[in-house]
Amino acid sequence: GDSVTQMEGPVTLSEEAFLTINCTYTATGYPSLFWYVQYPGEGLQLLLKATKADDKGSNKGFEATYRKETTSFHLEKGSVQVSDSAVYFCALIGSSNTGKLIFGQGTTLQVKP
Amino acid sequence: GAGVSQTPSNKVTEKGKYVELRCDPISGHTALYWYRQSLGQGPEFLIYFQGTGAADDSGLPNDRFFAVRPEGSVSTLKIQRTERGDSAVYLCASSPRGGPVGTEAFFGQGTRLTVV
Repeated sequence: GDSVTQMEGPVTLSEEAFLTINCTYTATGYPSLFWYVQYPGEGLQLLLKATKADDKGSNKGFEATYRKETTSFHLEKGSVQVSDSAVYFCALIGSSNTGKLIFGQGTTLQVKP
Repeated sequence: GAGVSQTPSNKVTEKGKYVELRCDPISGHTALYWYRQSLGQGPEFLIYFQGTGAADDSGLPNDRFFAVRPEGSVSTLKIQRTERGDSAVYLCASSPRGGPVGTEAFFGQGTRLTVV
């Protein structure tokens, strides 16, 4: 079945450092890919998405490119801030026609001043 | 409020008891999803409603779990004979249409269920 694998956390960075969180997926067909973020004490929020190969999703300085050849959707940000500290989830909607999300296990990011 | 609302935010129950968890989706959203998130894991799909009907209940772990959405708005997740392994955060999400297009799903803050 469809699945998502994320790099293990926690990831600890200093402010203004470069961030990469790796995400790879297994799915039949052409899934849609997502990054969700969960800030402390808040619900899951959509950060960005890409619905076809080579699309780049971007939001709040974060970017991820849908790479079908490597089945990856790595999250990047050039300069992280303390306010980016959160749990990040990679997810996909696969060949099912229901729109159900398949999530990775999440990666905790802590940014220190 | 404009977001997805879940009540209660926390629920502690004794093993073997029955619990109901409520979800109020965003007004006008036809698609509603329930997920379960165990500690340190990503959310796992439980059930999907399109309107009043359960279009996909393949994620429900066993017949102790049941969900309804009688009027196509509010949904209730029901768990019978609770077990300690049911302890988790139960998340509800709604989206305007659902389906495979990848429309954004909006999540509530969840109900933390603890079975003692």
